[in-house]
Amino acid sequence: AQKITQTQPGMFVQEKEAVTLDCTYDTSDPSYGLFWYKQPSSGEMIFLIYQGSYDQQNATEGRYSLNFQKARKSANLVISASQLGDSAMYFCAMREGPRNFNKFYFGSGTKLNVKP
Amino acid sequence: GAVVSQHPSWVICKSGTSVKIECRSLDFQATTMFWYRQFPKQSLMLMATSNEGSKATYEQGVEKDKFLINHASLTLSTLTVTSAHPEDSSFYICSARDGTGGDGAKNIQYFGAGTRLSVL
Repeated sequence: AQKITQTQPGMFVQEKEAVTLDCTYDTSDPSYGLFWYKQPSSGEMIFLIYQGSYDQQNATEGRYSLNFQKARKSANLVISASQLGDSAMYFCAMREGPRNFNKFYFGSGTKLNVKP
Repeated sequence: GAVVSQHPSWVICKSGTSVKIECRSLDFQATTMFWYRQFPKQSLMLMATSNEGSKATYEQGVEKDKFLINHASLTLSTLTVTSAHPEDSSFYICSARDGTGGDGAKNIQYFGAGTRLSVL
């Protein structure tokens, strides 16, 4: 089974609106971490936000928030007030721990297009 | 966040030559670095985990003799694509784990800007 599933290959959003990018994960490890990265057309992978499996609250970083629903095994990224510069590929990733601490599993990505 | 520098950003080489790609952690020490390969419009594929002072751990299906990894210091890992062929053309990207400070337990990987390799 896929460790990380991103079911939206592409998304469009109007500038200044909010958008949710979906991510579901599969693990039987009680300790894990979830990450979101942004990859613009230039290629670099930019770390956006982290959520630990034991964190009680949803993570937030500026305009980014992670809607963590543990029972559903989902970790959706919410971008508020979209900007043109948000147009990029977005990857959800997971690492399990502690034995597999270093290995990241990446989803297939979602291409976000922000329309002016 | 932590900064990872990767050079070169773009390289064209002739078939049969070797290409070295450098990955540096600029403001932190990275005992562990990672090398990924990414095909167009696809996700990242982990090639190997590079540990300072020891041999790299390669993922299944990755040729050790083709992709030489050296992690000689806490801030530098190199990937050498030996005897490159057109099928090695790809986007290679490295990352480093900052295991220090308050974020150490999160195991965040910080990525370089990537290297686009074209083998003619």
